[in-house]
Amino acid sequence: DAKTTQPPSMDCAEGRAANLPCNHSTISGNEYVYWYRQIHSQGPQYIIHGLKNNETNEMASLIITEDRKSSTLILPHATLRDTAVYYCIVRVTGNQFYFGTGTSLTVIP
Amino acid sequence: DAGVIQSPRHEVTEMGQEVTLRCKPISGHNSLFWYRQTMMRGLELLIYFNNNVPIDDSGMPEDRFSAKMPNASFSTLKIQPSEPRDSAVYFCASSKQGPGTSGRGRYNEQFFGPGTRLTVL
Repeated sequence: DAKTTQPPSMDCAEGRAANLPCNHSTISGNEYVYWYRQIHSQGPQYIIHGLKNNETNEMASLIITEDRKSSTLILPHATLRDTAVYYCIVRVTGNQFYFGTGTSLTVIP
Repeated sequence: DAGVIQSPRHEVTEMGQEVTLRCKPISGHNSLFWYRQTMMRGLELLIYFNNNVPIDDSGMPEDRFSAKMPNASFSTLKIQPSEPRDSAVYFCASSKQGPGTSGRGRYNEQFFGPGTRLTVL
């Protein structure tokens, strides 16, 4: 199963775009990239996922490089409520998700 | 929909006691997951059920831990006997796994419950 590498923490000014990187250099051709986030004391929440094309939904955009070895989650206009730990997960065989340590994003007023 | 329901929300017990955590998945979901979260180890998958059948329990730490899913609307995670190192937040999640799980759409989106904070003294 492909592993992911994320920076442990990042800051972002309120109203600015937050760009969260993830490296997954050993990803295989049929593995998707998923992003979840966990706001303090709550269970993780799904954000977005993709295979090789860029994806956008009401929460975020996901940019996957052409070689699929890395991706970036973009929160276009970060708010204080976006302060959370963000997990980048490459889907393993079956349906198990293995969450790493994620990136702790702090949105600063 | 009420979402994934877990009980109790908080549990404080003494070492050696049996602890049972409960989970009610979202109606219509056919996959259920138990996770444990600690500061030291992060969020770990303990066991995963599909259609009430345990598929992968490789994350269960030891024989003191057991999980059951007697029907599609209920699951339990039991620790017997409990130890202080079992103190953690335990999350239950459910999802609806359709045919061809590599497809687009909301497949594999897991919905998490609020968690049970367990403290073993």
